[in-house]
Amino acid sequence: DTAVSQTPKYLVTQMGNDKSIKCEQNLGHDTMYWYKQDSKKFLKIMFSYNNKELIINETVPNRFSPKSPDKAHLNLHINSLELGDSAVYFCASSQDTSSYNEQFFGPGTRLTVL
Amino acid sequence: AQSVTQLGSHVSVSEGALVLLRCNYSSSVPPYLFWYVQYPNQGLQLLLKYTTGATLVKGINGFEAEFKKSETSFHLTKPSAHMSDAAEYFCAVRGGSARQLTFGSGTQLTVLP
Repeated sequence: DTAVSQTPKYLVTQMGNDKSIKCEQNLGHDTMYWYKQDSKKFLKIMFSYNNKELIINETVPNRFSPKSPDKAHLNLHINSLELGDSAVYFCASSQDTSSYNEQFFGPGTRLTVL
Repeated sequence: AQSVTQLGSHVSVSEGALVLLRCNYSSSVPPYLFWYVQYPNQGLQLLLKYTTGATLVKGINGFEAEFKKSETSFHLTKPSAHMSDAAEYFCAVRGGSARQLTFGSGTQLTVLP
């Protein structure tokens, strides 16, 4: 049983399009995250939700909008895609916001914008 | 503020040799420290973590790390490398009340036959 799952695994699209990535966790965790990993493998936090409430909103273009319909799901919608959005996007979850809790990562969604 | 420096973006070792991946951190409060591994085309997986207590932490796949407060280091070691250890390794830090985990830039480990 997959703990943190993401769909799709690969996403290839044209500039200007709108796309969504879905994430689900079956661990019963309260906190979920979105990370962006660039071509140099650098990982940067984008957003975090705790019990469906946004708690971290890093400097990310307004074109990116997260949505958490319930504790088990955190989706990422991207409007007007740009070339620079090409990256691997990881969803993660943790039991709660406590600093000592490890995060469990999904397999990633590789987004390619042409 | 917190930060992580991983010395060496690429490390190569021979199969059977010692693996040493270096991580130094900066944190204004006692840190929680993590090592994650990322295999090609996969997500990150926790290897081990230090929270409190014993400074030598053992993880999965024979890896261990030692928290050295005086050196602000948390280096990852494995006595004998296997081919299957080839992957990207990330050190991460989170200070007590910090809202988020901060990752290092990663170290690509290559294991030579």
